[in-house]
Amino acid sequence: GAGVSQSPSNKVTEKGKDVELRCDPISGHTALYWYRQSLGQGLEFLIYFQGNSAPDKSGLPSDRFSAERTGGSVSTLTIQRTQQEDSAVYLCASSLRTGIYGYTFGSGTRLTVV
Amino acid sequence: AQTVTQSQPEMSVQEAETVTLSCTYDTSENNYYLFWYKQPPSRQMILVIRQEAYKQQNATENRFSVNFQKAAKSFSLKISDSQLGDTAMYFCAFMNVEGSQGNLIFGKGTKLSVKP
Repeated sequence: GAGVSQSPSNKVTEKGKDVELRCDPISGHTALYWYRQSLGQGLEFLIYFQGNSAPDKSGLPSDRFSAERTGGSVSTLTIQRTQQEDSAVYLCASSLRTGIYGYTFGSGTRLTVV
Repeated sequence: AQTVTQSQPEMSVQEAETVTLSCTYDTSENNYYLFWYKQPPSRQMILVIRQEAYKQQNATENRFSVNFQKAAKSFSLKISDSQLGDTAMYFCAFMNVEGSQGNLIFGKGTKLSVKP
């Protein structure tokens, strides 16, 4: 597509429920990144996919967080047993292989856990 | 580990004036890239300007320019002729490309308000 598309735009969920956030990157971009932006904070790296290589999961805050990327395109970030501290904006970005020309970001999903 | 510091949580400027946002970073690497991103209320991060560390010449993009001081590890953003549409959060970011996967490391941001 023309840009990075994320859905849903906003999600309100009850504590303890599982949520799935979706990211559709720019066609042809082999690299895909997930970041978390808590209120008033910068962006916290979560996970990185590059082509068919094993993802870099070093930023995932706990084992309740997981992500997959199917067919080298669409990615889903799953948060199990959500907690209130998971409330944040989750941003997805994609880039050409190395990202040295910058990332293209989506508009994010605002997750609110009540 | 690399870190990025933006020491100005908030700034304001009058329309048509010039403002400079500060950014410092810490790295032991010699080859890297630096970026400024803008995040308006729509939440989408927009790339403003990019600098390659091995280039001494400061990058410019229309009203936006940087002052890159490699020895001081400083990378400030200057916005000239500020416009109301420049109101946004601005994030400085660092990318090390020596044997890395190109992960961007962000500062905590500066909230810029342009006043009419």
